[in-house]
Amino acid sequence: KNQVEQSPQSLIILEGKNCTLQCNYTVSPFSNLRWYKQDTGRGPVSLTIMTFSENTKSNGRYTATLDADTKQSSLHITASQLSDSASYICVVSEDDNNNDMRFGAGTRLTVKP
Amino acid sequence: DADVTQTPRNRITKTGKRIMLECSQTKGHDRMYWYRQDPGLGLRLIYYSFDVKDINKGEISDGYSVSRQAQAKFSLSLESAIPNQTALYFCATSGLRRGSYYNEQFFGPGTRLTVL
Repeated sequence: KNQVEQSPQSLIILEGKNCTLQCNYTVSPFSNLRWYKQDTGRGPVSLTIMTFSENTKSNGRYTATLDADTKQSSLHITASQLSDSASYICVVSEDDNNNDMRFGAGTRLTVKP
Repeated sequence: DADVTQTPRNRITKTGKRIMLECSQTKGHDRMYWYRQDPGLGLRLIYYSFDVKDINKGEISDGYSVSRQAQAKFSLSLESAIPNQTALYFCATSGLRRGSYYNEQFFGPGTRLTVL
């Protein structure tokens, strides 16, 4: 069983709308949680990183939240743009060196005009 | 990330053939990784290397081997390819992003491998 579960698997929204992607994890111990954006045909690119003590982190229109007690994270995208169409991957690391990273399967977001 | 390059970008081969995927980086990072990505699954670690003389197995190393020829080069080999090795393969390097305490992995563009 994957230790990082993401929902929904896929999502279609209209340009300009907001959306929230979910990530639940059972990885333990916990060091940090990252959200990556993966455009089609490209490698993942880091959006945010949060440690145990952080419960929110923003990167432009992207805002990630973390509840380490319930082991849940969300990625909120505000005022979506067509270029936001991509897969968003939640990744949880057990150690600071990120040598043992657990990847979620991703949420495929499609933004339509 | 243009600092991590992979060749080839696409490859179609037949069962039983030997295949090598290559990765080069100009980031100066010591650590390099190979992952595979399958539809509906998260990326899974195949092998990783902390420096030229260091090779470590990841979660799914069976059927694969690697070679770290230099700090900047890390190649992945499939000695006898089989159809269930059809996947997207990513190389990554690891180092500190400027201003960050945590190591971060920087991914190459991927190699799409199809084994018939």
